[in-house]
Amino acid sequence: KAGVTQTPRYLIKTRGQQVTLSCSPISGHRSVSWYQQTPGQGLQFLFEYFSETQRNKGNFPGRFSGRQFSNSRSEMNVSTLELGDSALYLCASSPGWGLSYEQYFGPGTRLTVT
Amino acid sequence: SQKIEQNSEALNIQEGKTATLTCNYTNYSPAYLQWYRQDPGRGPVFLLLIRENEKEKRKERLKVTFDTTLKQSLFHITASQPADSATYLCALQNSGNTPLVFGKGTRLSVIA
Repeated sequence: KAGVTQTPRYLIKTRGQQVTLSCSPISGHRSVSWYQQTPGQGLQFLFEYFSETQRNKGNFPGRFSGRQFSNSRSEMNVSTLELGDSALYLCASSPGWGLSYEQYFGPGTRLTVT
Repeated sequence: SQKIEQNSEALNIQEGKTATLTCNYTNYSPAYLQWYRQDPGRGPVFLLLIRENEKEKRKERLKVTFDTTLKQSLFHITASQPADSATYLCALQNSGNTPLVFGKGTRLSVIA
């Protein structure tokens, strides 16, 4: 089975711009979670989707949003980028929701905001 | 406030020894606890999951304990090898409906 794929792998944006990141889960997985990883804060939860519905949301400003499509693929969007948004954005998929499932992570998208 | 603390940022041990990593938490009541391994430039990889009613879980050279009274999990790698060098993350989940919350990780270096 192919693993979780994320596109693009690297991105450089300017402050004030917006960005859309994409995640394709493992075939058959219906849950997708997004995390932001920085050296100072570690891995922080952004949001989780299951069956096209947002099930959980982390403590991030409204500039961060996401969605999930009927084929379980997911996108996250960050508007009005700030320097502090520079981070590795990781997507993880799991078979379901409501129990504790192991998460399968993608390689991440490295976002640099200048 | 809620906190997950992994004992140290970095841990160096000699090849062949047992590495023990600690995960302490406050103001959580996790039903589940997971451990992941992360190599530089890559996403975390799942290693083990343990439930609150389980004291111990093993997988090959790995062992995890979960003490809900002490609010602590210990992660052991026996007969450590240089290939075990990586950052190890613990993650808590209060229930199946809540998100997985990660600690900041411990960077393990196994020296030959």
